[in-house]
Amino acid sequence: EDKVVQSPLSLVVHEGDTVTLNCSYEVTNFRSLLWYKQEKKAPTFLFMLTSSGIEKKSGRLSSILDKKELFSILNITATQTGDSAIYLCAANSGGSNYKLTFGKGTLLTVNP
Amino acid sequence: DTEVTQTPKHLVMGMTNKKSLKCEQHMGHRAMYWYKQKAKKPPELMFVYSYEKLSINESVPSRFSPECPNSSLLNLHLHALQPEDSALYLCASSQDSVIRNGWDTEAFFGQGTRLTVV
Repeated sequence: EDKVVQSPLSLVVHEGDTVTLNCSYEVTNFRSLLWYKQEKKAPTFLFMLTSSGIEKKSGRLSSILDKKELFSILNITATQTGDSAIYLCAANSGGSNYKLTFGKGTLLTVNP
Repeated sequence: DTEVTQTPKHLVMGMTNKKSLKCEQHMGHRAMYWYKQKAKKPPELMFVYSYEKLSINESVPSRFSPECPNSSLLNLHLHALQPEDSALYLCASSQDSVIRNGWDTEAFFGQGTRLTVV
């Protein structure tokens, strides 16, 4: 059975802190790993990672994939209160169709 | 434009009602999905449509009936639901990676329909 495990499940930090969120996966026919940010409603796409060791960066967020060790990390530097959300990691194992298996998410709370 | 539009945003229905959820995208994506998300849980895949054909059904009860009338629209017909079916129903779409020569593609989600079954 496909499995995605995120840690920690929740995290409380102060503005300006740097956080690292972890995601490990065990899926058959792995294609890619995706990170989403979910506030009140829909998950918002952040990154898609397909190759090991290549960092993807968007502003204060960055992410990297290790296909040998089957994990990914999401880093957020200089956190802001607007970063407070659930961060979801999902592994795509469906070939040409997405069969996204989601982790339980990390609830990040950034306090002023 | 990376927008996936879902209607209605909220829906309250009785256990004997028949209702439909709608999803629309105009990004030319050929794969569309329905996910169900309960509170404090991750989204769970229900159905995948690829080129308007149902390709994955994750053993979803028949009281949920998906329909893909064309490549831009995806419906979820609801009938005789139970209170435990109350959840956020999310639609997503992606470009079929076959079109992109095997390159993987992002999946974008709609804002969801908050369904309450009473």
